[in-house]
Formats: sequence, C-alpha cells, structure tokens
Amino acid sequence: NAGVTQTPKFRILKIGQSMTLQCTQDMNHNYMYWYRQDPGMGLKLIYYSVGAGITDKGEVPNGYNVSRSTTEDFPLRLELAAPSQTSVYFCASSRSSVVNTEAFFGQGTRLTVV
Amino acid sequence: DAKTTQPPSMDCAEGRAANLPCNHSTISGNEYVYWYRQIHSQGPQYIIHGLKNNETNEMASLIITEDRKSSTLILPHATLRDTAVYYCIVWARGANNLFFGTGTRLTVIP
Repeated sequence: NAGVTQTPKFRILKIGQSMTLQCTQDMNHNYMYWYRQDPGMGLKLIYYSVGAGITDKGEVPNGYNVSRSTTEDFPLRLELAAPSQTSVYFCASSRSSVVNTEAFFGQGTRLTVV
Repeated sequence: DAKTTQPPSMDCAEGRAANLPCNHSTISGNEYVYWYRQIHSQGPQYIIHGLKNNETNEMASLIITEDRKSSTLILPHATLRDTAVYYCIVWARGANNLFFGTGTRLTVIP
C-alpha cells in the first residue's frame, strides 16, 4: 500500500529559484492538504483541496500555489523561493472532512532555501 | 475552532501506561477530539478520535470527561517505539483543517 507519496524527500534551493513539490495518493481520497512544519513547531496548513479542480487557501498560503487536475495528484509550487520557506512540507489526504475520517500523511519533503 | 492545551513533555517507563492529558475547555458540541502522533519527524499518524464517549482501538484508549472540556489518551503498555510527539486536535464537523499545536513530547524510558 503506497498511501501518500511525496517527492523529492530533500531539496536545497537558492533564493529566487522555483520548484514543485509532488504529492500523489492512491486511496481515491477527495480531500488533500499541504502543511509546513518549522523546527519545534506544529503543522500549519498552506492549501487544501476538496476535489479535482477545487482548491482553497489555508493559514499560510503566501508564496505558494497549488493545482488539482486529478484526484490523485496535488502538487505545491514555490515560485520565488525565500529563506522563510525553509521547512518540512507534508502532504496529506482524507476520504472526506466529515466524521470518522482520518488523514493520511506522506513522509515529508525537507526543503532548505539558501 | 477550539484551542487545546497539552504539557510540553512527559516521560513514561517502558511497559507502563502512558496517560497524556489535553485541555479543550472551549470545545463546541459538534467538535471531535482527535489524537495524532509524529515519530522522529515522520508524517503524523492517526491514533484515535471521539466525540463524547470513551473510545478504544488497537493502539490506544481515549477518555473524554463528561463536560468534554478535557481528555486523556492512554497507551496501555508503552514501548520505546511509542516515543513521539503527540498532538491533541479538535476538529469541527465539516471543517477542512487539522489545527496542530506543539503537542506533548513523550519519551519512553527503558
């Protein structure tokens, strides 16, 4: 069972560069999320999607973009990398947002911007 | 969304029960209590959730007070592999986010 797969696992970017963090899930979940986690802190929601073609902002969306063209994939785009975006990024999915739903998380992408 | 308060750290002897408390005094009637854990910077892992009744699964038990203002996660026989950060989260029905705090860092001691 693959679950939620994130690539790459590690990446170093220079200031001003751009990149896309990939996330795919094979559980046919409608809901997908992107979180970031700074050292010693809890996770903060960047963007989420409730289905293909639908995305919405979370708590900390500035500097990021997302798209959801298929149920399986939910890539996160950084256009102009900044040192403040150094963090660990987690993608997650869930069947829905209603009761009795657990979220499944990927293993994370550790991004350093220098 | 209701805020949660957890102690920053706890220790537990291996083989003993680990009792992790959580205060959520502003919880609303339709808000569920969820517990996740994060082992060594891996992705968070779901443990258990409940509304007002006590819940038990193969991993843990969740005890919610009658007024729902606090809860306790119980790991009945802690092992070294249970060392992790445990997050208590209140998730409203229909909400689209899990609000993570800083959690409780549980260290299981041999």
